[in-house]
Amino acid sequence: SAVISQKPSRDICQRGTSLTIQCQVDSQVTMMFWYRQQPGQSLTLIATANQGSEATYESGFVIDKFPISRPNLTFSTLTVSNMSPEDSSIYLCSVASWDSEAFFGQGTRLTVV
Amino acid sequence: AQKVTQAQTEISVVEKEDVTLDCVYETRDTTYYLFWYKQPPSGELVFLIRRNSFDEQNEISGRYSWNFQKSTSSFNFTITASQVVDSAVYFCALSEKEWNQAGTALIFGKGTTLSVSS
Repeated sequence: SAVISQKPSRDICQRGTSLTIQCQVDSQVTMMFWYRQQPGQSLTLIATANQGSEATYESGFVIDKFPISRPNLTFSTLTVSNMSPEDSSIYLCSVASWDSEAFFGQGTRLTVV
Repeated sequence: AQKVTQAQTEISVVEKEDVTLDCVYETRDTTYYLFWYKQPPSGELVFLIRRNSFDEQNEISGRYSWNFQKSTSSFNFTITASQVVDSAVYFCALSEKEWNQAGTALIFGKGTTLSVSS
């Protein structure tokens, strides 16, 4: 199993600013995933972060808006840049291995005002 | 294309009723995993079950049971004798095998909001 610590758990930010979300895993994992859950919606994959290479972004998400770092096998950050109210969502990091469940952090509830 | 459909947006039941949440999936892979997660109002995702594509045996865990039918590409979830604490959003999800077997992202359905009243 894996335990994921995600910080901050929530934040209220001014539009135009940036927020960096941290995700720490208690074991080494090859791939980490970042999801967004807009209010009342399902989870949508933002990007896949592989250690040692650039993140792979899904359609509709760009690196300038959601830069991701993956400095080692237990840590990743997602930055939400130049925020607008439309970025208000829950952001979740996740890790998965083929032979186990997918583990999720507690999520970061972001409100942009 | 991979897709997960949860046609029921909201379901309301009274305590002790049985309720079934439907999940239909699409995939071209022969190897894949199906998941159910519960998201209570607090927001965290609670893992309920993972089922691989080669195991069609139904599973029961307490009041929860799952019916996996490859012939209809369905993976339905039944709660028996529902309780108020079962009120939550339930997500069905699909994961396909990647070449490096390092795990893949999940494709989520839109979720079903279950409300259980006393």
